Amino acid sequence: KNQVEQSPQSLIILEGKNCTLQCNYTVSPFSNLRWYKQDTGRGPVSLTIMTFSENTKSNGRYTTTLDADTKQSSLHITASQLSDSASYICVVSLMDSSYKLIFGSGTRLLVRP
Amino acid sequence: NAGVTQTPKFQVLKTGQSMTLQCAQDMNHEYMSWYRQDPGMGLRLIHYSVGAGITDQGEVPNGYNVSRSTTEDFPLRLLSAAPSQTSVYFCASKTGLASETQYFGPGTRLLVL
Repeated sequence: KNQVEQSPQSLIILEGKNCTLQCNYTVSPFSNLRWYKQDTGRGPVSLTIMTFSENTKSNGRYTTTLDADTKQSSLHITASQLSDSASYICVVSLMDSSYKLIFGSGTRLLVRP
Repeated sequence: NAGVTQTPKFQVLKTGQSMTLQCAQDMNHEYMSWYRQDPGMGLRLIHYSVGAGITDQGEVPNGYNVSRSTTEDFPLRLLSAAPSQTSVYFCASKTGLASETQYFGPGTRLLVL
């Protein structure tokens, strides 16, 4: 069964600290993996998209990694800011005619001053 | 560009009532889709369209109808609202079925009593 699992479900960190969110997937055939940031009451916004051959990608203080062999991805946030408080969603796209997206349930991050 | 817009932002319905959630995009995207987001679950695809006049069912289509008479608009109709349809609904668009970057609207929060 195609699944995307994220951990932890929620996380609280102090402003300025780093954190890493995890995503494990069992999706086949794999096309690409995306990380989205979703602020409360808003739609998801794309952070990075990684294909099979890409190991890492950065978007400012956000760095995502992909290990296609172990089917794991991570999102690392450096020097967290209050505005990083949001849900982070991992999404895997199928490489077939449907190009279906399989969404994880997200990690809710709270950055405290 | 306004991007993807949705109306209303919030709606309360009584069981059995019908309503239409509006979605519009001004990016000339061929592909549009509707998702619902429930607590603790990933976004689930309701219906999608690969172009004007073409629609198809997603993962959870029951109780919903869609139409795509123009490239810009993709309304979602609830025929007879049920409490199980209480959710947050997101409309999204992208240039094509295989396109990587998907743009989400701000969401419509629906409460069915």
